[in-house]
This record gives sequence, structure tokens and C-alpha cells, in this order.
Amino acid sequence: RKEVEQDPGPFNVPEGATVAFNCTYSNSASQSFFWYRQDCRKEPKLLMSVYSSGNEDGRFTAQLNRASQYISLLIRDSKLSDSATYLCVVSTSTGGYQKVTFGTGTKLQVIP
Amino acid sequence: DAGITQSPRHKVTETGTPVTLRCHQTENHRYMYWYRQDPGHGLRLIHYSYGVKDTDKGEVSDGYSVSRSKTEDFLLTLESATSSQTSVYFCAISETRQGWNTEAFFGQGTRLTVV
Repeated sequence: RKEVEQDPGPFNVPEGATVAFNCTYSNSASQSFFWYRQDCRKEPKLLMSVYSSGNEDGRFTAQLNRASQYISLLIRDSKLSDSATYLCVVSTSTGGYQKVTFGTGTKLQVIP
Repeated sequence: DAGITQSPRHKVTETGTPVTLRCHQTENHRYMYWYRQDPGHGLRLIHYSYGVKDTDKGEVSDGYSVSRSKTEDFLLTLESATSSQTSVYFCAISETRQGWNTEAFFGQGTRLTVV
């Protein structure tokens, strides 16, 4: 089983739609969670951290469910500029050292 | 933007030649990572470092070696390049603050083509 799993998509949604992505992780000792955004041929960039209590940043909401070991990202009122690949990222402390693992990404295409 | 640079940004090399990619950071972060990204596989960890001279293998380390002789530099070497190592290589850095793992910051990537 992969350490971090995501649906690769693509998700094709119309402008203004709400779309949700899920991600599961296998290591229950994982400590920190993030969503990254990656545009074509660019480096991944942090979209938002994910906290146990859930957190919101404008149109984006992230949730963490430690019991079920999944995190989610909700995008409301999708914009054309939201088209990108969204990467789920899990950070785990292993033997006192930090390891960062990425999902393969979910591709989102927002259609006019 | 975090101070992390990769060099070279693009490289074409011949099969069988050694290649070294450099990652340089100005953030004094403890952790440094090398990933490769290929279609259908996402970002896969090659090697990572948790301090000077402290490195460990990732999931796709065969054919690669790394060195970290000082905090700011993390070198990735392809000992004898093969066509299967044609990829985009990303370096990343991260830190631990108050016991929590911070987010990772990425370099702009190196496009390597092995012909």
C-alpha cells in the first residue's frame, strides 16, 4: 500500500462549482499534513496546512480525520485559475527524523 | 519565496556519464530532499538528509548517491546516467519548529534528459 494515496483525476468541473479531493495515508504516526498546488512544469507550492480542527482560507477548506487517516480539500466557487494539480503531503517523524511524502496528485481542470 | 536554488535548470547528457545536480539553500533548514517527478508517478523521494553528512535512502534511490558536506548544499549524483533517469528533479527543504514539522519549500526543478 502506498504511504499516501490520491485519486489522480482529472476532475473536470465548471466555473463556480464546488469540488472536493480526498487523500488517505497509511502511517498513523504521521504528524503534519499539507495541500500543495502544482502548475504545469512548475514546482509545487504550499496551498495550505491541514489542522485537526479543520481550517479555511477563503474558498479553500481543509479537513483532517486522524481516526480514518484521511485528509480532504474543498474548493468552493471554482475559478479558471484553480486549474492545477493538487498534491496531498504527509510529514512523519521517523526515528527522530522528518520524512515528507507526497501523493501522486489530483488534476483539476475548471471549464468556462 | 524560500531561498532555495537548483543548478543546472536544464541538462542533456549521454548515457553512461556521471551527472551531479546541486541544491543550495539560504534558510538554514535541517532537512533537505531530492525528488524526481514523472508522469503517472508523482513526486518520488530519491534521498533525503537530516543534517550535515546524515543522509538516507528514499523509495527510488538505486543509481543515485547524495552528499551533504555543509548545511546549505545537497548534491545528487547519477553515477552512470541511464535513459530511465530522464526526469524532472526537485529539491526541497523543511524544518521542525517546536516539535512540529513545517511545510517543505521547493526549488524550481532541474529538467534532465539522458540520451
